[in-house]
Amino acid sequence: QKEVEQNSGPLSVPEGAIASLNCTYSDRGSQSFFWYRQYSGKSPELIMFIYSNGDKEDGRFTAQLNKASQYVSLLIRDSQPSDSATYLCAVLPGSGNTGKLIFGQGTTLQVKP
Amino acid sequence: DAGVTQSPTHLIKTRGQQVTLRCSPKSGHDTVSWYQQALGQGPQFIFQYYEEEERQRGNFPDRFSGHQFPNYSSELNVNALLLGDSALYLCASSAGQGYGYTFGSGTRLTVV
Repeated sequence: QKEVEQNSGPLSVPEGAIASLNCTYSDRGSQSFFWYRQYSGKSPELIMFIYSNGDKEDGRFTAQLNKASQYVSLLIRDSQPSDSATYLCAVLPGSGNTGKLIFGQGTTLQVKP
Repeated sequence: DAGVTQSPTHLIKTRGQQVTLRCSPKSGHDTVSWYQQALGQGPQFIFQYYEEEERQRGNFPDRFSGHQFPNYSSELNVNALLLGDSALYLCASSAGQGYGYTFGSGTRLTVV
């Protein structure tokens, strides 16, 4: 079992729709969760981070965390063609870790005009 | 405010050679981590430096080594290059641990 799992996609949504990206993780002691966006040929860019169970909203983006189910998701409302990119889920594991981020393989999102 | 800067941006090396990649962290950041990202994969943690010491290491062979300088900048050295070392090498900096990491633009290494 991979430590952080994402569906590689591609996930295709029409412009204006809600895109839902999902991620599961194996370490129950994980404390912090991050979503990065990576355009082709570019470096990852932090979109959001979440520490507590529930939802966290920032503009068109909402991160959702359910520690009991070991599940974190990212919702993108009113998707735009400029949102087309690979979205990386990253987890900061629990005890003994001093900052080693564990990444999933990423989900490719395609927003069609 | 300069972000994380990496050099060079692209590099082509021959198998068996050695390479040094450089990273300057974002202003105010004291922790530098290095990641390797193969095509189509997520970044893989190589190691992290804090206070000029390697604080944590991922599952990479000893051919991968690093250094952090008093000004918090860092180098990644890879010896005896293999074809499989071809990847995007990313440097990420943070102010301490547990927070969002800012990534540099990366160095694209091609081993031929």
